[in-house]
Amino acid sequence: GEDVEQSLFLSVREGDSSVINCTYTDSSSTYLYWYKQEPGAGLQLLTYIFSNMDMKQDQRLTVLLNKKDKHLSLRIADTQTGDSAIYFCAEKYSGGYQKVTFGTGTKLQVIP
Amino acid sequence: DTAVSQTPKYLVTQMGNDKSIKCEQNLGHDTMYWYKQDSKKFLKIMFSYNNKELIINETVPNRFSPKSPDKAHLNLHINSLELGDSAVYFCASSSKRGGPADTQYFGPGTRLTVL
Repeated sequence: GEDVEQSLFLSVREGDSSVINCTYTDSSSTYLYWYKQEPGAGLQLLTYIFSNMDMKQDQRLTVLLNKKDKHLSLRIADTQTGDSAIYFCAEKYSGGYQKVTFGTGTKLQVIP
Repeated sequence: DTAVSQTPKYLVTQMGNDKSIKCEQNLGHDTMYWYKQDSKKFLKIMFSYNNKELIINETVPNRFSPKSPDKAHLNLHINSLELGDSAVYFCASSSKRGGPADTQYFGPGTRLTVL
């Protein structure tokens, strides 16, 4: 089956780094994504990583993929109050027609 | 300018009623989706259409019926609404030819409250 798990809540101080973790079960995933959901809004893609990569950096965001352990993480450097949101990891696997399974979501709270 | 739009944004209705939510995308995408997000923020796919053809139909009660009149629209009709249908419903679209890695673009959501 396709289960994508995340811790539900993370609280950090402004200026610190945040690390949001995700574990998934399907080893045939092709792409893994991080989406951000601000209050009252839909999800927006933040970044993604192809499954044959182990790291991707995009400005303040660093994605690490450990395919052996089926573990994905998102590191946000110099976290700002505007980063407060719910973060969803998601996987797209080769077995389904464009089906993407979303994680349980991590609510990031940034304390000023 | 709006890429994926949904109407209405809020819907409050009585148990047993029938209601529809509409979704339109102006991105030229060929795949559209309906997701349900519950009060704990868990997001579950319900349906997906590609070029007006149903391709994903998760375990959803048959009171829920999607309809895609053309590839820019995917509507969701719900019969005999129940309390457990209260949630935020998100429409999304994607294209193999557009955006990185089949990025899904989400609408703003429709908050359905069943009383």
